[in-house]
Amino acid sequence: EVQLVQSGAEVKKPGESLKISCEASGYSFSNYWIAWVRQKPGIGLEWVGLVFPIDSDTRYSPSFEGQVTISADKSTNTAYLQWSSLKASDTAIYYCARSSDYRNFFGFWGQGTLVTVSS
Amino acid sequence: EIVLTQSPATLSLSPGERATLSCRASRNIRNFIGWYQQKPGQPPRLLFSDTSDRATGVPDRFSGSGSGTDFTLIISSLEPEDCAVYYCQQRSEWPLTFGGGTKVEI
Repeated sequence: EVQLVQSGAEVKKPGESLKISCEASGYSFSNYWIAWVRQKPGIGLEWVGLVFPIDSDTRYSPSFEGQVTISADKSTNTAYLQWSSLKASDTAIYYCARSSDYRNFFGFWGQGTLVTVSS
Repeated sequence: EIVLTQSPATLSLSPGERATLSCRASRNIRNFIGWYQQKPGQPPRLLFSDTSDRATGVPDRFSGSGSGTDFTLIISSLEPEDCAVYYCQQRSEWPLTFGGGTKVEI
């Protein structure tokens, strides 16, 4: 069974750094894209970016380029999303998701990580 | 980037009625559209890939159609559990994009 288990909720102050995780199991981690998706309270879905673990090929949406770093560790089957300096506007739920097959549609999702940035 | 415009924003219907959800792309994306359902407090659930390729476990009252720039998700006979927000998503080019969503109220 494919599972994506995300790290727990975080409360941070503006300017702090953060790294959240998404641990995958039940399939060959290296062979499927993992995406990160942001959802602000009461708002729709936004792509942050994707990583292909086998070669760490990483793509970012223009809005997030330079603002976050996405990575993957094949030795632990874990994908990461990190910030070096958080802003209040980063407050949101962040989901990781795995592509269903070779197409970039995502049939497997983590439970979401709530990130709250507040002074 | 490709902009996806969903309409209507909200659809209020009764059980058993037919729901028609629209997704329009800012340029031709062939059939590279997918649909997701999201219920409160849950992650999205993939319903369809490439317009009409139904995901495992999706009831056949859901159907997807369209090509080019205009796409439709139809729920033929609404059930109470279909209350959710529905999003379309394109994979034709990077960056991937979502539509703004249609909320279905029953």
